[in-house]
Amino acid sequence: DAGITQSPRHKVTETGTPVTLRCHQTENHRYMYWYRQDPGHGLRLIHYSYGVKDTDKGEVSDGYSVSRSKTEDFLLTLESATSSQTSVYFCAIRQTSGSSSEQFFGPGTRLTVL
Amino acid sequence: AQKVTQAQTEISVVEKEDVTLDCVYETRDTTYYLFWYKQPPSGELVFLIRRNSFDEQNEISGRYSWNFQKSTSSFNFTITASQVVDSAVYFCALSAGSGTASKLTFGTGTRLQVTL
Repeated sequence: DAGITQSPRHKVTETGTPVTLRCHQTENHRYMYWYRQDPGHGLRLIHYSYGVKDTDKGEVSDGYSVSRSKTEDFLLTLESATSSQTSVYFCAIRQTSGSSSEQFFGPGTRLTVL
Repeated sequence: AQKVTQAQTEISVVEKEDVTLDCVYETRDTTYYLFWYKQPPSGELVFLIRRNSFDEQNEISGRYSWNFQKSTSSFNFTITASQVVDSAVYFCALSAGSGTASKLTFGTGTRLQVTL
């Protein structure tokens, strides 16, 4: 258990409304990631963070913004949700041991945009 | 750019059969890492294995084994004597490139259905 929680776990919203998803970790990991999972696409990276206030874009960042004001929380915001953003969103942390590192994932948030 | 291909969309086997899940990757980097994750019907993603590009030794963990071949850019996963609990979607992923961000590129996944 990498100590990752995501909230909310499920959300239904309407097109055009803002939505914020939260990822919380308890183990002080430096790197955090947001991915979305869609049928036929696997998981795709949206944004990632390499420290407090340090973030960068991933493969599918359009329409999303992120913030990291403290180590334990990484927020993903959809400024104006669209139906194409209906997806399952996973947060991940990078756990490093010596020269190796792996990503461990939170339980996911299922978002439906009507 | 990195790419991971899992050509098998869905596989069905009967319990106790052996099954191999294929993964082919593309990268121009000489240093990279390969991963397998399992996603059971409950939806969470479970880390199974990481392999780096300098270590081509095959690995076995119980009924699971992995065959890494740089010559064919493949990192295949075999389950021996499959069980119903192995039913899940399995993802292969690649991390490559300079820097230390460890961004993962995933394949589209292979759904494995094991029946009695």
